[in-house]
Amino acid sequence: GIQVEQSPPDLILQEGANSTLRCNFSDSVNNLQWFHQNPWGQLINLFYIPSGTKQNGRLSATTVATERYSLLYISSSQTTDSGVYFCARMGRLTGGGNKLTFGTGTQLKVEL
Amino acid sequence: EPEVTQTPSHQVTQMGQEVILRCVPISNHLYFYWYRQILGQKVEFLVSFYNNEISEKSEIFDDQFSVERPDGSNFTLKIRSTKLEDSAMYFCASSERTGRNYGYTFGSGTRLTVV
Repeated sequence: GIQVEQSPPDLILQEGANSTLRCNFSDSVNNLQWFHQNPWGQLINLFYIPSGTKQNGRLSATTVATERYSLLYISSSQTTDSGVYFCARMGRLTGGGNKLTFGTGTQLKVEL
Repeated sequence: EPEVTQTPSHQVTQMGQEVILRCVPISNHLYFYWYRQILGQKVEFLVSFYNNEISEKSEIFDDQFSVERPDGSNFTLKIRSTKLEDSAMYFCASSERTGRNYGYTFGSGTRLTVV
């Protein structure tokens, strides 16, 4: 089956530090999404980025579809950035719609 | 920004009981989904729904599960006879269309605990 691997699995940062999270996927993508799961369990959409680079405030994401990876950059991290970051590969369903295959997640903790 | 709304946020039920999880997708979206996340694990696809029928389901989505869009706004997931292993966070999601420029919007989830 389709594999979506994320690294690192765990990350501890001091507030203000920068980090890069990586997502590798085993098959071509229709789209790729990055999510932040906050401590209350909510999945917050960060980016959908099939290719290229997008930026939103302190976060940016780059997907290189031909090499089957995506990167999420967090700059000047804050304690509110803590949580689990998931990437998810979107593939087409023959019956209509898309299916997200989630990665294994990166657990991020930002400390004061 | 439009939201996907899920109710209840938490539900505790006894093993063998039926539960219905409710979702109100974004109004102009056409594709609807349920996913689940067992505690500490990754999020898994359950089912997709389009044009008033299931378009695809995973092997997790067995005969105990069903989905319905009863009134054009609500989208429900029913588990007929809950098991302990059904305890998980259940997420509803919707998307406007398929294609590279259309992503998912997830609801806040329903945490189901089967005792």
